[in-house]
Amino acid sequence: QVQLVQSGAEVKKPGASVKVSCKASGYTFTDYYMHWVRQAPGQGLQWMGWINPNSGGTNYAQKFQGRVTMTRDTSISTAYMELSRLRSDDSAIYYCAREMGPGASDTSGYPFWGQGTLVTVSS
Amino acid sequence: DIQLTQSPSFLSASVGDRVTITCRASQGINSYLAWYQQKPGKAPKLLIYVASTLQSGVPSRFSGSGSGTDFTLTISSLQPEDFATYYCQQLNTYPFTFGPGTQVDIK
Repeated sequence: QVQLVQSGAEVKKPGASVKVSCKASGYTFTDYYMHWVRQAPGQGLQWMGWINPNSGGTNYAQKFQGRVTMTRDTSISTAYMELSRLRSDDSAIYYCAREMGPGASDTSGYPFWGQGTLVTVSS
Repeated sequence: DIQLTQSPSFLSASVGDRVTITCRASQGINSYLAWYQQKPGKAPKLLIYVASTLQSGVPSRFSGSGSGTDFTLTISSLQPEDFATYYCQQLNTYPFTFGPGTQVDIK
């Protein structure tokens, strides 16, 4: 069965960077785009972008351009999301989420999600 | 960016009630809309995709409709496990955006 297991909670100071991992299992990692979505405490969901694990190609939301980097390590079926120059309003739960269909970026939503990683930014 | 508005923001309902949540897009998004259910402390769960297709394993009391700019999620007979927050997401145009959510609470 498909599983996405994320790294543990992080506490960072403003201006620092955080790197969250998402280890995939139960399917061929390189066949499905991986997206990242965040949710501030008590707030709604915000799409951050995706990575094509096959090519390493990425597509970031304009809001995060210049601060976010999505990478992958195909040898261990793991996707990463690094966010730099952290601010207090970056405090959120960060989720990885896998597309439904293989191949090109899909429009069907995300049937598989990681458990979330809480990132707290505080001085 | 495409803005999604949901109504109502909050609704109080009883077990067995028929519940309808609407999602309106600021511009046309064809049928590229998904609905999610989220319970406290959990990741969202995909219910409906491409506006009206029921995700595998989701009870048939959930249904979706709409295209263009106006969409609805209907729960035909609300069950105790359905009390949660519901989000719509458009996947037509980058950046993909979510609605602000509709919290469904017990009356």
